[in-house]
Amino acid sequence: EPEVTQTPSHQVTQMGQEVILRCVPISNHLYFYWYRQILGQKVEFLVSFYNNEISEKSEIFDDQFSVERPDGSNFTLKIRSTKLEDSAMYFCASSEYVGSGELFFGEGSRLTVL
Amino acid sequence: LAKTTQPISMDSYEGQEVNITCSHNNIATNDYITWYQQFPSQGPRFIIQGYKTKVTNEVASLFIPADRKSSTLSLPRVSLSDTAVYYCLVGDGGPGNNRKLIWGLGTSLAVNP
Repeated sequence: EPEVTQTPSHQVTQMGQEVILRCVPISNHLYFYWYRQILGQKVEFLVSFYNNEISEKSEIFDDQFSVERPDGSNFTLKIRSTKLEDSAMYFCASSEYVGSGELFFGEGSRLTVL
Repeated sequence: LAKTTQPISMDSYEGQEVNITCSHNNIATNDYITWYQQFPSQGPRFIIQGYKTKVTNEVASLFIPADRKSSTLSLPRVSLSDTAVYYCLVGDGGPGNNRKLIWGLGTSLAVNP
């Protein structure tokens, strides 16, 4: 069964450092998303991406965050200067088309900012 | 965006049917109802989606009354592996508009032997 894969599974970084989280969506999917979940809290939408541009973003997704799809397969989330409160599980998801109610999530990347 | 309300937690035993009800009083005409399952330290997994009446797949059934102000996820004959958090989500304008869905805390289901 096709799946969304994410790397790294866990990253520890110092406050102020840049972090790049990588995702390989399902190959025929066209819509890509990043969500985050702080431990014990709700899943929060960050950004959606379609046709090589951001479709929507939340208020969490400020200037410290960026996304890109550099090579047609990887979908990356960059945090330029990490803060302690960025510590969370980051989930990538993809869907085949906008009419699909089903999002396929990856296993997540746990980010710990010290 | 419609807000949903679910029980924080539920307990059940292996082999029982579990029904988790979600309230969404402000659901809009075009909104769909979607349920996801999440195991600890894993990404959510789609379970089922519906608009009205009843939807059934190999995993669960979803019952939606005529007024659509609530929905019930039914898990037949649960096993220990069904222990997870279950989220009820209401779409912002259709099955594709789940990009900005508001996720609640979900219902933490514990299945006991």
